[in-house]
Amino acid sequence: EVQLVESGGGLVQPGGSLRLSCAASGFTFSSYAMSWVRQAPGNGLEWVSTISGSGGNSYYADSVRGRFTISRDNSKNTLYLHMNSLRAEDTAVYLCAEVVAAAGMVYWGQGTLVTVSS
Amino acid sequence: QPVLTQSSSASASLGSSVKLTCTLSSGHSNHIIAWHQQQPGKAPRYLMKLEGSGSYNKGSGVPDRFSGSSSGADRYLIISNLQSEDEADYYCETWDSNSRVFGGGTKLTVL
Repeated sequence: EVQLVESGGGLVQPGGSLRLSCAASGFTFSSYAMSWVRQAPGNGLEWVSTISGSGGNSYYADSVRGRFTISRDNSKNTLYLHMNSLRAEDTAVYLCAEVVAAAGMVYWGQGTLVTVSS
Repeated sequence: QPVLTQSSSASASLGSSVKLTCTLSSGHSNHIIAWHQQQPGKAPRYLMKLEGSGSYNKGSGVPDRFSGSSSGADRYLIISNLQSEDEADYYCETWDSNSRVFGGGTKLTVL
């Protein structure tokens, strides 16, 4: 059974930093691209970033490029999102998802809440 | 990069059928999309991938009541024999070589 468990969310001041983690199990982690998606309170889903299975390629939404960095440790089956220069508009539940080629985000975690506020 | 357009809301009666639409932007009418369901307070759940030909492949455990079809740039999610648990937000997703995008979502109310 595929399981994705996010952690690392919390309250952070504007301009601060945070690192999110997503622990994966139940599939061959290194074989799949992984994504971060966020959902602000009462809003829809917003793609944040995707990283290839090897970690060699990564892609970002314009809203986070230059501030967020996606990475992965395939030896630990863990996906990360390093978030810097956080803004109030980054407040959201952050979800990780397994990406299946030509099929979309097939498995989702439950999410971790990030609140940016002074 | 592609843009996906969805109606903000839809409603249908218990036991009836509903067809939700996701429209691809100009120049992207051949894109594959995915449909996701998000019940209140829960994480999204993958429903299916849907090709421009109308061919679809559902995720594990998705009921037979859910199906997909396509026409040009439009991708449809059809839910038959509506149940109360189908009341949820439905999102379409697509991608290109270096980005992914979601539609704004359709809130389905089961009357």
